[in-house]
Amino acid sequence: DTGVSQDPRHKITKRGQNVTFRCDPISEHNRLYWYRQTLGQGPEFLTYFQNEAQLEKSRLLSDRFSAERPKGSFSTLEIQRTEQGDSAMYLCASSPQLAGPYNEQFFGPGTRLTVL
Amino acid sequence: AQRVTQPEKLLSVFKGAPVELKCNYSYSGSPELFWYVQYSRQRLQLLLRHISRESIKGFTADLNKGETSFHLKKPFAQEEDSAMYYCALTKETSGSRLTFGEGTQLTVNP
Repeated sequence: DTGVSQDPRHKITKRGQNVTFRCDPISEHNRLYWYRQTLGQGPEFLTYFQNEAQLEKSRLLSDRFSAERPKGSFSTLEIQRTEQGDSAMYLCASSPQLAGPYNEQFFGPGTRLTVL
Repeated sequence: AQRVTQPEKLLSVFKGAPVELKCNYSYSGSPELFWYVQYSRQRLQLLLRHISRESIKGFTADLNKGETSFHLKKPFAQEEDSAMYYCALTKETSGSRLTFGEGTQLTVNP
């Protein structure tokens, strides 16, 4: 499968614990996005990388959230001191940087987080 | 701030009937509009984008700047069209963040 992959697919944790998710984008894509989707809602933007640089962060990304993309390839999203409100599907997407109008974002399968 | 509204959470039609999924947006500039689709147990994927003026799987969408709408239409719905549909916009053509609507679950009955 050459698409975007995410690991783990499911994570159950207790409130107050830290969790880390990984995203592997399509290999030639230099843009990587994180979104969060809660039940009954559309995906909400969290943050965006171009290569290793984090270019944009949503106000949804509180100080408990941190994302990295150290070598411009895979990315990690860490949530510290999880709260029940963090329970959601966390989606990763990647896109190439090509000349011309909008470049399609390709989504991964998501990581479903449940905070007990 | 940019915002996308899909007024119908659920839409049910019969096979062969026309279908229209509504999308309205608010944005002060010139947005790029898209429809994404998620079939059961599959990933979110792009269905079509307004800038391409294309028809995909029989679906079309016209950007109406006066009404700030981007409704998705298909003249004859098929059972395989049953899915969750999300309208989305981005504020620039270089491909930054997507702002999604809440989604419409389309069910096409036999």
